[in-house]
Amino acid sequence: QVQLQESGPGLVKPSETLSLTCTVSGDSIDNYYWNWIRQSAGKGLEWIGWIGRIYSREISTYSPSLKSRVTMSIDTSKNQLSLNLFSVTAADTAVYYCARSTSWSSPDFDYWGQGTLVTVSS
Amino acid sequence: QSVLTQPPSVSGAPGQRVTISCTGSSSNIGAGYDVHWYQQFPGTAPKLLISGDSNRPSGVPDRFSGSKSGISASLAISGLQADDEAHYYCQSYDSSLSGSVFGGGTMLTVL
Repeated sequence: QVQLQESGPGLVKPSETLSLTCTVSGDSIDNYYWNWIRQSAGKGLEWIGWIGRIYSREISTYSPSLKSRVTMSIDTSKNQLSLNLFSVTAADTAVYYCARSTSWSSPDFDYWGQGTLVTVSS
Repeated sequence: QSVLTQPPSVSGAPGQRVTISCTGSSSNIGAGYDVHWYQQFPGTAPKLLISGDSNRPSGVPDRFSGSKSGISASLAISGLQADDEAHYYCQSYDSSLSGSVFGGGTMLTVL
């Protein structure tokens, strides 16, 4: 079955860049929408954005509140997706999840990674 | 402040039925976008419980049901069991934000 696994540093300094990778196994990464979602103690679940390689085109959409600080990429040869969040602050401390959806409009998230805790602190 | 509003907590005795509400607006639930529900236990990822307003993914007991009307949606859990004690989140799409939005979550306590 489909499995997702997030990886990356658990501690990032303020003003630096948070970089995470999600490795997908059990299915091709093509023609699905791959989402990043975070969960902090104070704010619940927050959708960050999605990226997908749909019919050989790479497309992405980011949350308006994070759009100026986020980039996502996809590596179909490794079945991996990546998240970069720039200029982090303590408010970016959260558990970060990658999750799959099969559409971009009204999507549900049917498979999730286990999540990785990222703490922003000096 | 979440775009979708849920009660912070609900409770019920074993065997009882509880409902969890999720209220949005004309740019999300009221616009007809699907509502999905997730169950989350401490330290684990959310699990899809209800998809497309009222559809149960394979393996989800029929004690769980979803509905939608106007700008609101509801999750109903009947025949409450101790292991239903968890956080429940609603999620939809918002056209003004061009992305997915979540409710703040509801903690279900089984008395």
